[in-house]
Formats: sequence, structure tokens, C-alpha cells
Amino acid sequence: DAGVIQSPRHEVTEMGQEVTLRCKPISGHDYLFWYRQTMMRGLELLIYFNNNVPIDDSGMPEDRFSAKMPNASFSTLKIQPSEPRDSAVYFCASSRGQNAPELFFGEGSRLTVL
Amino acid sequence: GENVEQHPSTLSVQEGDSAVIKCTYSDSASNYFPWYKQELGKRPQLIIDIRSNVGEKKDQRIAVTLNKTAKHFSLHITETQPEDSAVYFCAASPGGFKTIFGAGTRLFVKA
Repeated sequence: DAGVIQSPRHEVTEMGQEVTLRCKPISGHDYLFWYRQTMMRGLELLIYFNNNVPIDDSGMPEDRFSAKMPNASFSTLKIQPSEPRDSAVYFCASSRGQNAPELFFGEGSRLTVL
Repeated sequence: GENVEQHPSTLSVQEGDSAVIKCTYSDSASNYFPWYKQELGKRPQLIIDIRSNVGEKKDQRIAVTLNKTAKHFSLHITETQPEDSAVYFCAASPGGFKTIFGAGTRLFVKA
């Protein structure tokens, strides 16, 4: 398996623009997580899905952030409009769940909002 | 919700010495405690984990201990090597579902 695949690896955009980050989890993993990593706040859980259904989005910072999982092999995290404080590395991770809870992370998407 | 605190934030040791990183958690429902290592510019990767029905687990130079009563868990690295230099994250997971991370410890191993 190729592991968790994220795109783009790097994104530089201007304040106010829409940003879409993409993730393909490992096949057979029923759980998908979106994390944001910054120096100040560490690794923050934004939202997670089970079998494509959002279970807990309490970490989503505000309404500018939205996430979808239309099928078992694809998820998006969208920021609209983007702001400079959204600059961070966004990681997607997947797992098999309770009996095998190890998180497998993608390589991350580094977002810079100017 | 769960809150995980991690200390120290930075740790510098001489090659061959031991390193200890300590964490506390708040949610008594947490029953899974993984540790992840993140090298510079890379993704976090699991190095060892422990479940709440076990007090200690060892894997070569790495060991984890868990005190459920005190809600403490620790990572011990013995005979440290320069390649152990990285950021280490502890985490806690209620039910083995969502995972909440500590703030991380940056470990420097001096040759």
C-alpha cells in the first residue's frame, strides 16, 4: 500500500483565497483524521470521520473550515476565506479504529497564507 | 474533553545517556497511550504504545510506563544515539478512537 496520500505538499496563497487540501487514506482504514500542526499549538485534531461520516468536528476552528468525505478513499479540508493565521502543516491520518488504533500519517500539506 | 500535558518541552542529553519524557492526561476514559516520533520535516510515526491494562512495555531501547491512578505515563529511551534526535509526542485516546496529542518534546542527543 502507498500509505496515506496528501496533496498538495505545499500551497502558497493570498489572504481571502479558497484553499482545498486533499487526502487519500489507506485502503481498509475506516477512520480518517485531519490534524493541524503549528509551533504554537502543536498537533491539533480538527475533525475525524468513521466510515465516511463526520464523528467529531469540535476541533474545527471556525466556520471558514469545512471537511468532507464523499467516499472511503477521498477526503477534503477546505478553508474559505483563508487568513494568515491559517498557515500551518495540515496532516491527514487514517487508522483501522479501536482494535488497531495506530495512526498512519500522510506527509502533510504545508500551507502559507500571505 | 481529553487534555494531555507533556514535559519537558526540550531535552538535551549526551550520547549514551538515558532520556525520560513525562505526560499526564485528564480523561479517565482514555485507555490507549501511543508515542510518536517526528523527525524534522517528516510525518509523525508511532514508535511504541501501551494500553490501560498494562503497566509497562519495552521494545529494545524504548520503554513506556503507565500509572492509571495518577494518570501519568512516561517514555524512557536508554543508550541514546544521535539518530534519536527528533520531536516526541505522547498522546491519549479514549476508546482508541480520536487521539489527543501532547505539545511535544524536542530531544537533542549530542555526540
